[in-house]
Amino acid sequence: GNSVTQMEGPVTLSEEAFLTINCTYTATGYPSLFWYVQYPGEGLQLLLKATKADDKGSNKGFEATYRKETTSFHLEKGSVQVSDSAVYFCALSDPKGKSTFGDGTTLTVKP
Amino acid sequence: DTEVTQTPKHLVMGMTNKKSLKCEQHMGHRAMYWYKQKAKKPPELMFVYSYEKLSINESVPSRFSPECPNSSLLNLHLHALQPEDSALYLCASTLFGQIATDTQYFGPGTRLTVL
Repeated sequence: GNSVTQMEGPVTLSEEAFLTINCTYTATGYPSLFWYVQYPGEGLQLLLKATKADDKGSNKGFEATYRKETTSFHLEKGSVQVSDSAVYFCALSDPKGKSTFGDGTTLTVKP
Repeated sequence: DTEVTQTPKHLVMGMTNKKSLKCEQHMGHRAMYWYKQKAKKPPELMFVYSYEKLSINESVPSRFSPECPNSSLLNLHLHALQPEDSALYLCASTLFGQIATDTQYFGPGTRLTVL
């Protein structure tokens, strides 16, 4: 079956530090890849996505590139802010639209 | 309108109660999903409705009964739940039915506590 493995957290950074959250996947066929973010007490919201190999998704300073050769979709941001503190989920969606989520990585950014 | 709404926000019920969770979207999306999320865990898929027909049931116990009365509304009927069913129940929708590239739009969830 499909699976997503995320870097274990929690991750604590100082404001303006560089962020990387690793994500690798196992899937048959050609999945789409997503990063969702969940703030406390809320549902998930899309951060960015990529639907084919070598695509780069970007939003709000976050970026991730769909690497088929390494089956990875690592999330990066050059300078984090306190407001980026949240739980980040890497996910894939298979051709039938069924999603598989990673375990989530909790990010805390300190002023 | 670009949001998915869920009611109630919080629900406390006893093991013999019957209650329902409601999810609504007015974005014209054709697929709707129920997920269960335990604390510090990822969402687990329960059911998917595509074009108002149940297309995925992830072997969910029969004490959970989904219903899709129309393309904008999704219900989850609860009966004889167990304390371990306490969780955040999330609803989501996608525009084109079930395809890989579609973004899921999530509601804020219903926090369910079973006593």
